[in-house]
Amino acid sequence: AQTVTQSQPEMSVQEAETVTLSCTYDTSENNYYLFWYKQPPSRQMILVIRQEAYKQQNATENRFSVNFQKAAKSFSLKISDSQLGDTAMYFCAFGFFNSGNTPLVFGKGTRLSVIA
Amino acid sequence: GAGVSQSPSNKVTEKGKDVELRCDPISGHTALYWYRQSLGQGLEFLIYFQGNSAPDKSGLPSDRFSAERTGGSVSTLTIQRTQQEDSAVYLCASSLGAGFGNQPQHFGDGTRLSIL
Repeated sequence: AQTVTQSQPEMSVQEAETVTLSCTYDTSENNYYLFWYKQPPSRQMILVIRQEAYKQQNATENRFSVNFQKAAKSFSLKISDSQLGDTAMYFCAFGFFNSGNTPLVFGKGTRLSVIA
Repeated sequence: GAGVSQSPSNKVTEKGKDVELRCDPISGHTALYWYRQSLGQGLEFLIYFQGNSAPDKSGLPSDRFSAERTGGSVSTLTIQRTQQEDSAVYLCASSLGAGFGNQPQHFGDGTRLSIL
């Protein structure tokens, strides 16, 4: 079974600074997807960034980038120039690489607080 | 609206009552997922639909939980004889139909269910 582990229940960062959220996972699959979702107090889960395991290049999306280490099964999220609006729960998730759609496996989340 | 719509937003009910939660996916999305998020936990997969059929019901925690989807659109999650441990936020997500790889899942705002 696939598992996703986020070892940091809570983190804080000063506004404009950089923060890295950790995620490790366990799978026997060779091809898969990894995701970071953000959940602000409004409860809606918002997709932040997505990485295909077969791609060596790390995904980037504006201030958000990942450090994907396939051999180590590590998928950390780096937020640069942190903003107050980045305050949220962040969830790392694993998705199977299929021709169809399958549910995601989520970690327990990291609560990030951006401090002014 | 253009997003996934869930109703009600909040539901408070007495232990032992039945509840019905509704999810209206994004138009054209054939895959629909139900997850449960308990306090301080990540998202726990419950069930997903591809069209009107549910290929994977493995996440339903007990036979008190059931879900259906009709017309390839709206889905309802029903919990019978609710228990206090059913208290959680129930999140629905949808994604485009089967294609190449897992399509990104778009989430609704969830229903916060509180069992007294």
